[in-house]
Amino acid sequence: NAGVTQTPKFQVLKTGQSMTLQCAQDMNHNSMYWYRQDPGMGLRLIYYSASEGTTDKGEVPNGYNVSRLNKREFSLRLESAAPSQTSVYFCASRVGQGYSGANVLTFGAGSRLTVL
Amino acid sequence: AQRVTQPEKLLSVFKGAPVELKCNYSYSGSPELFWYVQYSRQRLQLLLRHISRESIKGFTADLNKGETSFHLKKPFAQEEDSAMYYCALGRGGSARQLTFGSGTQLTVLP
Repeated sequence: NAGVTQTPKFQVLKTGQSMTLQCAQDMNHNSMYWYRQDPGMGLRLIYYSASEGTTDKGEVPNGYNVSRLNKREFSLRLESAAPSQTSVYFCASRVGQGYSGANVLTFGAGSRLTVL
Repeated sequence: AQRVTQPEKLLSVFKGAPVELKCNYSYSGSPELFWYVQYSRQRLQLLLRHISRESIKGFTADLNKGETSFHLKKPFAQEEDSAMYYCALGRGGSARQLTFGSGTQLTVLP
């Protein structure tokens, strides 16, 4: 039972390059999220997908795009990377149905991205 | 708008001492509060949530709606409690996202 799997774990980019962070969950969860973690700022929501076929902007969506490919997969794309996007990125998922445990997130291990 | 404030970025206590990690929130509706923890080289994971009113690893947290607080407490800290702790706020009902605080790095000294 892998839970939430993110790839790659580490990536170094040059300014202007593009890349896609992949996320997959095997728990049949409906909702998926992308957060970035920066020192002193906690976790900030970039984009989320409440269910397959829908995506919505979070707190800091500028410079990012997402795709909910199917129920399992939710990718995050940086079209033209900037140094300000140097961060640790976390994918998370939740059941998304009913109230009990509705807001309990399961996180991936994180992807550390450095933009030079 | 909902907001979560964790006033202490760093907190150090000695083993066996009581520890309290502060969390204040602002939200006009019915809040759902959580504490998540990230141990070194491990994934972020749920520690506890207010609706469960449970004690996990000796930690408790009580939701105080009057003071809009959800402080995390443990009477006797252990070295293995050293970690980054995040307080998180979700809207009640059909909430779709959590708002996290900036985190408190707890170090328990021997």
